[in-house]
Amino acid sequence: GDSVTQMEGPVTLSEEAFLTINCTYTATGYPSLFWYVQYPGEGLQLLLKATKADDKGSNKGFEATYRKETTSFHLEKGSVQVSDSAVYFCALSIGGYQKVTFGTGTKLQVIP
Amino acid sequence: DAGITQSPRHKVTETGTPVTLRCHQTENHRYMYWYRQDPGHGLRLIHYSYGVKDTDKGEVSDGYSVSRSKTEDFLLTLESATSSQTSVYFCAISEIAQSEQFFGPGTRLTVL
Repeated sequence: GDSVTQMEGPVTLSEEAFLTINCTYTATGYPSLFWYVQYPGEGLQLLLKATKADDKGSNKGFEATYRKETTSFHLEKGSVQVSDSAVYFCALSIGGYQKVTFGTGTKLQVIP
Repeated sequence: DAGITQSPRHKVTETGTPVTLRCHQTENHRYMYWYRQDPGHGLRLIHYSYGVKDTDKGEVSDGYSVSRSKTEDFLLTLESATSSQTSVYFCAISEIAQSEQFFGPGTRLTVL
């Protein structure tokens, strides 16, 4: 079945450091890919998305490129801030059923 | 922010009692979902709805039932709560195929 694999957390970075959170997927077909972010005590929010190969999603300084050849959608940010501390979920959606498969989440902690 | 509310936000109950969680949306979106979030598992789909009175099972549906009698409301019922159903429950909505989902604030359920 469809699946998403994310790097294990937690990830601890100093402010202004470069961030990469790895995400790879397995899908029978051509999924749309998403990154969601969850701040403490809140629901998930869409951070960015890409719907076809080679698309780059971007938002709030975060970027991810849909790589069909490596089945990956790694999240990057050039300079993280304390306010970026949260849990990040990679996800895919495929077919007409509107169901989304989520990764297990990666907790990011940014220290001043 | 998408208009999604969940009630109650917190609930403590005893094993064997019935529990109903409510999700209400003001966006008129067609699709609604119930997830549970547990450490190490990310989000897992319990049930989803693709229209009024149209529902289907997700990957962890045992012990749960749902109903959708109006576009705006999606109810999740635990007929006889067990301690393994202690979790945080999220409702989500989406409008069209493969689009992003919008999440409610969550309900923290504790079954003693």
